[in-house]
Amino acid sequence: AQSVTQLGSHVSVSEGALVLLRCNYSSSVPPYLFWYVQYPNQGLQLLLKYTTGATLVKGINGFEAEFKKSETSFHLTKPSAHMSDAAEYFCAVSALNTGFQKLVFGTGTRLLVSP
Amino acid sequence: GAVVSQHPSRVICKSGTSVKIECRSLDFQATTMFWYRQFPKQSLMLMATSNEGSKATYEQGVEKDKFLINHASLTLSTLTVTSAHPEDSSFYICSARISGSSQSADTQYFGPGTRLTVL
Repeated sequence: AQSVTQLGSHVSVSEGALVLLRCNYSSSVPPYLFWYVQYPNQGLQLLLKYTTGATLVKGINGFEAEFKKSETSFHLTKPSAHMSDAAEYFCAVSALNTGFQKLVFGTGTRLLVSP
Repeated sequence: GAVVSQHPSRVICKSGTSVKIECRSLDFQATTMFWYRQFPKQSLMLMATSNEGSKATYEQGVEKDKFLINHASLTLSTLTVTSAHPEDSSFYICSARISGSSQSADTQYFGPGTRLTVL
């Protein structure tokens, strides 16, 4: 079975500061990893994903994440926060033993950006 | 590309009535669609996996007779909440996977969600 742990239910940064949202996963088989963003009262938008290949993945809106197998981590970063980045961020994992169908989500991290 | 729509976006109903929520993939075919439920300030909970032309697979603890899922075509899945009660009030989100072996086939694309309030 797969699981995801997101450390920190809330992260606060100033506009222009580095954004770091942490995600650790557990999977007995090689995982696929995803980061989604959710704005209030909306569905989830895919930011980026890791399947195979290059471990540093670049996504939309300047976000990137690095798959570190040794640390079982997939932390999300952005060099400079913008006010529009304030939202809920979810890390998710899927794996071969579910045909990569079933997504298991973390509990989410709310990013707060102050001027 | 890969746009998923949901209708309605918001619905208020009386206790005991049934509510149908539609999930459509607008620019791709989706053999598999998923239904999630999200409580305030919480993560998404998978309710069921819907495969076109076959019965849905429900997660443990989800009442299949209460949450009826139909996936009649490659672009449409519906969730019907039967005999709704206040505890069914929630945010319901669907997602869809692109059919085939494209690079995006391993990704779920999400709809905007439906806010259900049962009075």
